Amino acid sequence: AQSVAQPEDQVNVAEGNPLTVKCTYSVSGNPYLFWYVQYPNRGLQFLLKYITGDNLVKGSYGFEAEFNKSQTSFHLKKPSALVSDSALYFCAVRDGDNFNKFYFGSGTKLNVKP
Amino acid sequence: GAVVSQHPSWVICKSGTSVKIECRSLDFQATTMFWYRQFPKQSLMLMATSNEGSKATYEQGVEKDKFLINHASLTLSTLTVTSAHPEDSSFYICSANLVSGPNNEQFFGPGTRLTVL
Repeated sequence: AQSVAQPEDQVNVAEGNPLTVKCTYSVSGNPYLFWYVQYPNRGLQFLLKYITGDNLVKGSYGFEAEFNKSQTSFHLKKPSALVSDSALYFCAVRDGDNFNKFYFGSGTKLNVKP
Repeated sequence: GAVVSQHPSWVICKSGTSVKIECRSLDFQATTMFWYRQFPKQSLMLMATSNEGSKATYEQGVEKDKFLINHASLTLSTLTVTSAHPEDSSFYICSANLVSGPNNEQFFGPGTRLTVL
């Protein structure tokens, strides 16, 4: 069975500092991993994905994520946080048998303070 | 990029009434759309997969007679919450794939906030 875990309910960071939002996964087969961001009362916006290739994936709004197979992790990172990055972030994994099915983590609320 | 819209963005209804939520793919055709619900401070839970021209596929534990899904065209799927009750109050989000296969990504609608009084 596929699953992802986001161990932190909330991450607080000061503006301008680097940020990391953690995600670990458990899959049978090749992992197809995604990060989405959700602003209040809005749907999810795609940030980036890992299918294959380079372990460092670059995405929208300056975000990147590092795929680490040995640690089964896919942490989201940004070198310099902005107040506007404050939102809810979801890690997701695609089902290996049904590409249409996603499993989402519990979400991490990112607070960037001025 | 691909755009998915939902209507209405929010709705308040009385207990016992039915509510219809529309999900549209604006600039692409989607043979498959997905319906999720999200409770406050919780993750998205897939409710069902909406298939154009055929019956929806429901996830375990989701009542198909309560959550009616119709995917009548390649750009429109509807979710009808029948005989709504306060426990049905939630944020409902739809999504659609731009292309099929392992490299696709789901594009999400802005969501519909349902409040049942």
